[in-house]
Amino acid sequence: QVQLVQSGAEVKKPGASVKVSCKASGYTFSNYGISWVRQAPGQGLEWMGWISVHNGNTNYAQRLQGRVTMTTDTSTTTAYMELRSLRSDDTAVYYCARVDFLSRYCSDTSCPVDYWGQGALVTVSS
Amino acid sequence: DIQMTQSPSTLSASVGDRVTITCRASQSISRWLAWYQQKPGKAPKVLIYKGSNLQSGVPSRFSGSGSGTEFTLTISSLQPDDFATYYCQQYDSYQWTFGQGTKVEIK
Repeated sequence: QVQLVQSGAEVKKPGASVKVSCKASGYTFSNYGISWVRQAPGQGLEWMGWISVHNGNTNYAQRLQGRVTMTTDTSTTTAYMELRSLRSDDTAVYYCARVDFLSRYCSDTSCPVDYWGQGALVTVSS
Repeated sequence: DIQMTQSPSTLSASVGDRVTITCRASQSISRWLAWYQQKPGKAPKVLIYKGSNLQSGVPSRFSGSGSGTEFTLTISSLQPDDFATYYCQQYDSYQWTFGQGTKVEIK
């Protein structure tokens, strides 16, 4: 069965970086992508971007451009999201989700997500 | 970015009620809209793709409709398991955006 298992909670100081991992299993990793979505405490969902595992193409949210990097390691079927220059408003639960490039519901620009990881809490505090 | 606006923000309903949530886009997104359900402390769960296509395993009491800028999610007969927060999300643009969410509470 498809599973996305994320790394554990982290506490970081303002200005530091964090790298969250997302270990995929139960499917052919390179046929799909990984999207990252975050949720601040008590708030809604914010899309951060996605990466194609096959060719490494990325599509980042404009407001995070320059601070976020998404990568994948096909040897370990793991995706990573690194966020730099952390601020207190980056405190959130970070989710990874599988982008289904095989979906028949893809638009001209992108494909929807289906399976989600359990989330990883990142707390930014001095 | 395309703005997604959901209404209402909170909805109080009883088991068995028919519930409708609206999602409006700031510009046309054709039918490229997904709906999610999220329960406290859990990851979102996809319910509907491309405006009206039910994800496998999702109960048939959920349905979606709409195109262009106005979309609705309907729960035909609210069940105890349906009390949750619902989000719409557009994937027409390269920059995906979510609605702010609609919390369905017990009346």
